[in-house]
Amino acid sequence: DAKTTQPNSMESNEEEPVHLPCNHSTISGTDYIHWYRQLPSQGPEYVIHGLTSNVNNRMASLAIAEDRKSSTLILHRATLRDAAVYYCILRGANTGNQFYFGTGTSLTVIP
Amino acid sequence: EPEVTQTPSHQVTQMGQEVILRCVPISNHLYFYWYRQILGQKVEFLVSFYNNEISEKSEIFDDQFSVERPDGSNFTLKIRSTKLEDSAMYFCASRLTSGSYEQFFGPGTRLTVL
Repeated sequence: DAKTTQPNSMESNEEEPVHLPCNHSTISGTDYIHWYRQLPSQGPEYVIHGLTSNVNNRMASLAIAEDRKSSTLILHRATLRDAAVYYCILRGANTGNQFYFGTGTSLTVIP
Repeated sequence: EPEVTQTPSHQVTQMGQEVILRCVPISNHLYFYWYRQILGQKVEFLVSFYNNEISEKSEIFDDQFSVERPDGSNFTLKIRSTKLEDSAMYFCASRLTSGSYEQFFGPGTRLTVL
């Protein structure tokens, strides 16, 4: 289901960039890569998504490898509010678009 | 900014009782979902709903579960006879039918089965 592999946990210092990796070696040509995060005691929250090209939005950047077998979520300046579990999820283009969450990466931001 | 709301925030029930969890999706969204998260575990997909019928469901979503859109705004999850293992956070989500496929999640209902 999940088809993605992420480190269990990472740490970052506040105001420094954070690179969160995700491996998805079995990705198919039509799978989109979505990133969500879950702050403590809250529901998941959309961060960013992409298909082939790198993407930027106000929250983060998504760097997708040329072979699409891995991607990296980049938080340019980590804040304490960015402490959360980050999920990398593949979404098939021809499914009902439900998400199959993995265990994600728990990001700790150190003041 | 529009958001998904869920009620109640916390529901305590006795084993074997029926519970109904309520969600109000974002008004122009047409795809709806239920997920659950047992304490300390990952978020699990339960069911998706579109055009007044179930689109897909997981193995967790057995005959004890049902979903309904009783009116133009609410989306409910019913558990007919709760078990201890149904204790979890239940998240509702909704999305547009096209575009980014971003799902907007509600804050969740914590269900405790005693």
